[in-house]
Amino acid sequence: AQKVTQAQTEISVVEKEDVTLDCVYETRDTTYYLFWYKQPPSGELVFLIRRNSFDEQNEISGRYSWNFQKSTSSFNFTITASQVVDSAVYFCALTRGGGFKTIFGAGTRLFVKA
Amino acid sequence: EPEVTQTPSHQVTQMGQEVILRCVPISNHLYFYWYRQILGQKVEFLVSFYNNEISEKSEIFDDQFSVERPDGSNFTLKIRSTKLEDSAMYFCASSERGEGPYEQYFGPGTRLTVT
Repeated sequence: AQKVTQAQTEISVVEKEDVTLDCVYETRDTTYYLFWYKQPPSGELVFLIRRNSFDEQNEISGRYSWNFQKSTSSFNFTITASQVVDSAVYFCALTRGGGFKTIFGAGTRLFVKA
Repeated sequence: EPEVTQTPSHQVTQMGQEVILRCVPISNHLYFYWYRQILGQKVEFLVSFYNNEISEKSEIFDDQFSVERPDGSNFTLKIRSTKLEDSAMYFCASSERGEGPYEQYFGPGTRLTVT
């Protein structure tokens, strides 16, 4: 069975602080794909990143960075120098290789205060 | 930039009525999906569709639900006899074909309210 756990329900930070959103996943598959999506208050789902199970390279994109560690089944997301516009719900998600069903975590609501 | 569109943005219906939610996926995408999100909860997979047939579905997607690609552009989700618990935001998504699941691009959602 597949499962995605985002233990942090809500996080509140002050602008310019760094914040890390945790994601732990469970799967028996050797090939799988991990995703992060952002859901701002307007409600749409915005794709942020995809990671393949065979590619453990960390990635940085502007103020965003992702740390994928297969040894701990984690795919954490860090926002550096957070901004008010980063306030949103962030979802981590998992799709098994060869499949289409994407399992989402419960989401972490991030509040960034000015 | 191409995007997934969904209509209507909000649908109110009475319990027991049929509803059809419509989506126009990105034009060169071949895989289509429906998800739902009950208010304040996680996003849940309903069904995936490829080559004019369902490729995978969840336990939520029972006989009350059906999907169709009636023409070359639209992708629809039908709920035959709505229940109160069907009230949710329904997201359509599409993705390209590739060596593995490509990122799914989501539409803005249709908020379904069943009264």
